[in-house]
Parts: sequence; C-alpha cells; structure tokens
Amino acid sequence: EAGVAQSPRYKIIEKRQSVAFWCNPISGHATLYWYQQILGQGPKLLIQFQNNGVVDDSQLPKDRFSAERLKGVDSTLKIQPAKLEDSAVYLCASSGFVFRDTEAFFGQGTRLTVV
Amino acid sequence: AQSVTQLDSQVPVFEEAPVELRCNYSSSVSVYLFWYVQYPNQGLQLLLKYLSGSTLVKGINGFEAEFNKSQTSFHLRKPSVHISDTAEYFCAVTNTGNQFYFGTGTSLTVIP
Repeated sequence: EAGVAQSPRYKIIEKRQSVAFWCNPISGHATLYWYQQILGQGPKLLIQFQNNGVVDDSQLPKDRFSAERLKGVDSTLKIQPAKLEDSAVYLCASSGFVFRDTEAFFGQGTRLTVV
Repeated sequence: AQSVTQLDSQVPVFEEAPVELRCNYSSSVSVYLFWYVQYPNQGLQLLLKYLSGSTLVKGINGFEAEFNKSQTSFHLRKPSVHISDTAEYFCAVTNTGNQFYFGTGTSLTVIP
C-alpha cells in the first residue's frame, strides 16, 4: 500500500513570495490533514478535510494561507505572501474511517525555509 | 477540547537501560491515545495506539504504553533501549478518531 506522498521535500523562498505544497493521501482515505511543525515543537493542525469539505480550519492563518482538496483526493496548501515565521515543516496526513484502523498516516513533509 | 502534555522535553538514557516517556492528557470525553516517533528528516510513524480494551498496549520496536484513566496518563516505556531509538517522540489524542492533537514532543537520546 502506497503511503502519503508530499512534494516538494524542500523549498527555500524569500519573504513575501508565494509557495505551494502538494499532498496525495492514501487511497480511500476520506480525511486529510495539514500540520505545521516548527522546529522543536509538536505538529499543529492547520486544516482538516473530510472528503472535499473543510472540517476544521480554526488555526489556519487565512490572510495568507489557503488550502483546497479538489475531488476529495489530492490537496494543495498555499502560502501567499510568506513570512519568516512560516519557516517550518509542513506535514500532510490522512486517515480512514474504520474504527480499528484509526490512526493518522503521515507523509515525509515539506521543509520550508523563508529567508 | 483535548490537550496533551509531555512532561519531559529531553530524555538522555544509556544504551540497554529502561526508559519511560511521560504523557498526560485532558479531555471531557472518552479518548483514543497514540504515540508517534519521528526520526530526523522523516514524517511521523505510529508506534502504538489505545482505542479500547486492555490498558496495556504493545507497539513496534519493543515499546509499550499503559493507559491510566484515573491519572489521565499514557506513558511510553521500553525495558532496554538501543541507539536506533534516538528520535523525537510525540503523544497524541483524539476523541472521535478524526482530529489529532499532539504534544510538544520528547527528544530521546540514547548514549552508547
């Protein structure tokens, strides 16, 4: 079974530029998450999708961050314009709906450096 | 709302010694609990999970954790650590199986 795929693995941009990250979840997983992990901290949920609908985006800085999940499969997270404090690893995860399979499967992440 | 507290940010331990990484949670409803491990430049990998049933849960790589409802804890243990266990460990909680909340992590360093 293929895991959660993310690209790119690394990205360096200047502040005020824009950037986009892509995530392909595990096939059949209805729930998709984007987390931000700042160095030395635990992952912080940015947005959660159930199929192509948003379940929780309460911690998403909506003035600069946006995310979409077209057709309930792949997802894109965008930052425009980027700030220095956006430097972090952006993790995508997905989960299924069967109780006994409850866990979040993570991709390897995209490390963003804003200079 | 749920939250997770990992009491130790860094834990150094000698190789082949036992280790315990502490995790406490707060929730007003029943919870599901998880421990994830993160190796350098990698995503998070599930070590073990508690959904229901036996309070002692065994996971991969010789780790185990015990769910203690009265103390709202889910501490992770391993009787004998190996160099390869050096990593960041995260405790996580969810109540519906949908929204995962993570602790700040514990950095385990195994000393040869």
